[in-house]
Amino acid sequence: AQSVTQLDSQVPVFEEAPVELRCNYSSSVSVYLFWYVQYPNQGLQLLLKYLSGSTLVKGINGFEAEFNKSQTSFHLRKPSVHISDTAEYFCAVRLALSFYNQGGKLIFGQGTELSVKP
Amino acid sequence: ETGVTQSPTHLIKTRGQQVTLRCSSQSGHNTVSWYQQALGQGPQFIFQYYREEENGRGNFPPRFSGLQFPNYSSELNVNALELDDSALYLCASSSRDRENLLAGGNSYNEQFFGPGTRLTVL
Repeated sequence: AQSVTQLDSQVPVFEEAPVELRCNYSSSVSVYLFWYVQYPNQGLQLLLKYLSGSTLVKGINGFEAEFNKSQTSFHLRKPSVHISDTAEYFCAVRLALSFYNQGGKLIFGQGTELSVKP
Repeated sequence: ETGVTQSPTHLIKTRGQQVTLRCSSQSGHNTVSWYQQALGQGPQFIFQYYREEENGRGNFPPRFSGLQFPNYSSELNVNALELDDSALYLCASSSRDRENLLAGGNSYNEQFFGPGTRLTVL
């Protein structure tokens, strides 16, 4: 079975400071990795994804993440945050051979609340 | 291009009642997945429908059921509501490439999420 652990439930940070949101996963087979953002009272928006290839992936809004297979991590980073980045962030995994395994379900972590202060 | 829409946005029910939530998939998408997001938690997979058939189910009891229609829109039905069913229900649509799947290769199709339906059970 697969699982996702987001190591910080809340991350307060000042505007223009760098931030890292940590994510570790567990899986015995190949997975795809994702970060989603959820603004208050809204659905989920995909920030970035790792499917294969380069382990450093860049996403929207200046976010990037690095896949580390040996440490089974997929930490999300941004060099300088804005007030508008305040939201809930979710790390998720999905089996690579998804069609034959429960229809390609996403398995989410518990979420990290990023709070950017002026 | 119209995105994923869900109705209603909010709903209040009492224990024991039944509820139907609706999802319209994005244009060109043939797959709909449903997730339950309890307060302060990450979304949990309920089930997925592909071309009107259930294609994968999470750890939810049979009182959670669904349908997908020929236009690929979908319904989530929950019978005998319990207090713990209070949550944000998200649907996500995606498009399957049938040829890649039959060839046995890996496939990836991004899931686009709707805004959700907030269900409160009293």
